[in-house]
Amino acid sequence: NAGVMQNPRHLVRRRGQEARLRCSPMKGHSHVYWYRQLPEEGLKFMVYLQKENIIDESGMPKERFSAEFPKEGPSILRIQQVVRGDSAAYFCASSRTSDSYEQYFGPGTRLTVT
Amino acid sequence: AQSVTQLGSHVSVSEGALVLLRCNYSSSVPPYLFWYVQYPNQGLQLLLKYTTGATLVKGINGFEAEFKKSETSFHLTKPSAHMSDAAEYFCAVSETGTASKLTFGTGTRLQVTL
Repeated sequence: NAGVMQNPRHLVRRRGQEARLRCSPMKGHSHVYWYRQLPEEGLKFMVYLQKENIIDESGMPKERFSAEFPKEGPSILRIQQVVRGDSAAYFCASSRTSDSYEQYFGPGTRLTVT
Repeated sequence: AQSVTQLGSHVSVSEGALVLLRCNYSSSVPPYLFWYVQYPNQGLQLLLKYTTGATLVKGINGFEAEFKKSETSFHLTKPSAHMSDAAEYFCAVSETGTASKLTFGTGTRLQVTL
C-alpha cells in the first residue's frame, strides 16, 4: 500500500516563475492537507481539501497561492510569481474520511527560489 | 484558537539515558494530540496519538506520552535513548471530531551522544 506521494521532491524556480507541487494521497484517502515548513520552523497549515472542494484555506496566503483536488488526479498546490520568501518545504498529508483524525505525510517538496 | 509550545529547541542526551521532550498545548475544546518525528530531508512519521481514553499512550520505537489535562501537557518520553532516535520531534494538536488541520509546535531537535 503506497504512502502519500509528492512530486517533484526538489524544485528550483527563478523569481517570477510558477511552481506546481503535486500530491497523491494514500489509496482510499479522500482528504488532503498542505503544510509549509520554513527553515528552522515547524509546519504551518495552509489548506485542507476534499475531492473538488476546499474545506479550509485559512492558512493560505491570499495572493499567488491556490490549491485544488480534482475528481481525478493528484492535488495541486500552485504558487504564481514565486519570490525568495516562498523557499520552503511543502508537505502534503492525507486522511481517510471526515471522522478520521490521523494524517499521513508525504516526503515533501523542497522549493528553492533563486 | 489552538497553540502548541515545545520547550527546548535542542535537547541532548547520552545513549541509554532518559529522553524527555516537553509539549504544552492550548485548546478551547478537548484536543487530539500527536507526536511526529522527522528525520533529515524526510516527511513526518506519526509516533503516537492521544484521542480519548487512557491518558498514557504508547507509540512506536519505545516512545510514550502522557496526557495531563490539569497541566495541559503531553510530554514525550523514552526510557533509554538510542543513536537512531536523533531527529526532530514535533508535537501537534487538532480539534476533536471531524478531520481538521494540525497545529504544530516549533519542534525539538534531539541529539544522542555516545
